[in-house]
Amino acid sequence: EAGVTQFPSHSVIEKGQTVTLRCDPISGHDNLYWYRRVMGKEIKFLLHFVKESKQDESGMPNNRFLAERTGGTYSTLKVQPAELEDSGVYFCASSLGGYSPLHFGNGTRLTVT
Amino acid sequence: GNSVTQMEGPVTLSEEAFLTINCTYTATGYPSLFWYVQYPGEGLQLLLKATKADDKGSNKGFEATYRKETTSFHLEKGSVQVSDSAVYFCALSDPNSGGSNYKLTFGKGTLLTVNP
Repeated sequence: EAGVTQFPSHSVIEKGQTVTLRCDPISGHDNLYWYRRVMGKEIKFLLHFVKESKQDESGMPNNRFLAERTGGTYSTLKVQPAELEDSGVYFCASSLGGYSPLHFGNGTRLTVT
Repeated sequence: GNSVTQMEGPVTLSEEAFLTINCTYTATGYPSLFWYVQYPGEGLQLLLKATKADDKGSNKGFEATYRKETTSFHLEKGSVQVSDSAVYFCALSDPNSGGSNYKLTFGKGTLLTVNP
């Protein structure tokens, strides 16, 4: 079984540019989550999809971040325009829901210069 | 709000040494508690969990006991190996997330290096 895959693994962009991160969950997992770890801080929840619907986006930091999950399969997280404080590692996870464990991807390391 | 505090690293041990990584939490209600591990170049993996007070989670020789009275979930291993070198994260689930484990609150992570 393929795990959660994220692309790209690394991204370096300049302040003001746009970046789109992609996550492919495990097949059959309706629940998809985005988390991020800013340098030296905790991993924080961003949002949760059930299929294509946003169940909880309480962790999204501001309106420069847009997450989509068209068709309920893969998801994208767009940052536009990127700021320096957006640098960090963005993790995607998926699960069957309920008390099922979260399966995390390897993360995308975003550096904004 | 919910929070997790774990000992700051890095922690460096020799092979076969005893490991303890402290973790305490603050939460309203009754969260589930987790330890996740991130090996170099990989994603987070669930190491073990406990869902109620006095439960002991265990996996790969690691153990942690849910202590409600001290709000702690310390990770222990009796004899570490070089292959245990990784970053360890303590986490709790939001007790108000309607019976789901999705909304995790993490600690900052502890880097463990085990030398041969």
